[in-house]
Amino acid sequence: NAGVTQTPKFQVLKTGQSMTLQCAQDMNHEYMSWYRQDPGMGLRLIHYSVGAGITDQGEVPNGYNVSRSTTEDFPLRLLSAAPSQTSVYFCASKSGTNTGELFFGEGSRLTVL
Amino acid sequence: GNSVTQMEGPVTLSEEAFLTINCTYTATGYPSLFWYVQYPGEGLQLLLKATKADDKGSNKGFEATYRKETTSFHLEKGSVQVSDSAVYFCALSDTGGFKTIFGAGTRLFVKA
Repeated sequence: NAGVTQTPKFQVLKTGQSMTLQCAQDMNHEYMSWYRQDPGMGLRLIHYSVGAGITDQGEVPNGYNVSRSTTEDFPLRLLSAAPSQTSVYFCASKSGTNTGELFFGEGSRLTVL
Repeated sequence: GNSVTQMEGPVTLSEEAFLTINCTYTATGYPSLFWYVQYPGEGLQLLLKATKADDKGSNKGFEATYRKETTSFHLEKGSVQVSDSAVYFCALSDTGGFKTIFGAGTRLFVKA
């Protein structure tokens, strides 16, 4: 089973460049989310979506855009990358209940120079 | 707002030692509580969960009890193995399930 698939796994950007981190899940989960992981800070929620066409902000949304046109896909866009966005990014999905576990992708390591 | 606080690491233990990783939370309503584990180079995966007060989650020898009176969800294992070396995250999902908040993570090293 593929589960949650993220691409790319590694990316190096220059300050001001734009890029999209892709996330796809094949579990028919309604809920999808993006986190960033930084040393000593755990995972922080960037944006989340409870279904196609519906997105909302998490703890640290500034500098990131998302959209949800299909159930399967939830891309994360950086319009103008900054060094502060150097991090490991995780996409996660779950079925639509608060007791459900999150299923994570393997992560995308982004470095902004 | 909701928050999760867990003990700082790293924690270094010898094989077969007893493990406790402390986790406390602040939340309104009726959150669900989770422990996730992250092995090197991988994403997080669920270790165990508890959805209401006094529930005990357990898996692979690990267990944690949802204590509403002390707002805690401490992770324990009676005898750790080298293969348990990983980073452990305590997490809380709000009542609506929209936001899952994670602690900072505790790195565990187990020596043979």
